[in-house]
Amino acid sequence: EPEVTQTPSHQVTQMGQEVILRCVPISNHLYFYWYRQILGQKVEFLVSFYNNEISEKSEIFDDQFSVERPDGSNFTLKIRSTKLEDSAMYFCASRGDSLNTEAFFGQGTRLTVV
Amino acid sequence: AQTVTQSQPEMSVQEAETVTLSCTYDTSESDYYLFWYKQPPSRQMILVIRQEAYKQQNATENRFSVNFQKAAKSFSLKISDSQLGDAAMYFCAYRRYYGGSQGNLIFGKGTKLSVKP
Repeated sequence: EPEVTQTPSHQVTQMGQEVILRCVPISNHLYFYWYRQILGQKVEFLVSFYNNEISEKSEIFDDQFSVERPDGSNFTLKIRSTKLEDSAMYFCASRGDSLNTEAFFGQGTRLTVV
Repeated sequence: AQTVTQSQPEMSVQEAETVTLSCTYDTSESDYYLFWYKQPPSRQMILVIRQEAYKQQNATENRFSVNFQKAAKSFSLKISDSQLGDAAMYFCAYRRYYGGSQGNLIFGKGTKLSVKP
């Protein structure tokens, strides 16, 4: 069964460093998303991506964040200069090409900023 | 803006019994989707069940069923014959119908379900 794959599963980084979280969405999907879940809190939408551009972003997704789909298969989230409060679980999700499909989530990347 | 509220931070059920998790939402739209996601300790988000707002019939998936009350904006999840593997965090989520290139999910804060043997 096709699945969304995220790497790494856990990343520890120093405050101020740049991190790139990687995702491989399901191959025939067209809509891609990043969500964040701070420990013990709800899942929050960060950004959606379609047709090689950002289609919507939340207020969390500030200038420190960027996304790209560099090679048609990977979908990356970059945090330019990490802060302690960026520590969270980051989920990638993808959705197919019709209205009537649900989002499939990856297993998440746990980011720890120290 | 749409909001999703789960008023039960924690619930507990005896194995083989039935439990109902509550969810209410607020929206001005008439067409939308509602979902229940399960998040076990591994923290992967797993879709449990989906409901289209234009359908009056409540969705069911094996032991999982929903009670969708559109006028009351209520969307509860019933788990029958609870199993130990059902222990997890459960999130209720909303998505606009005409999501198109957006279609992001709006989540509630979750309900932690414990299953007692």
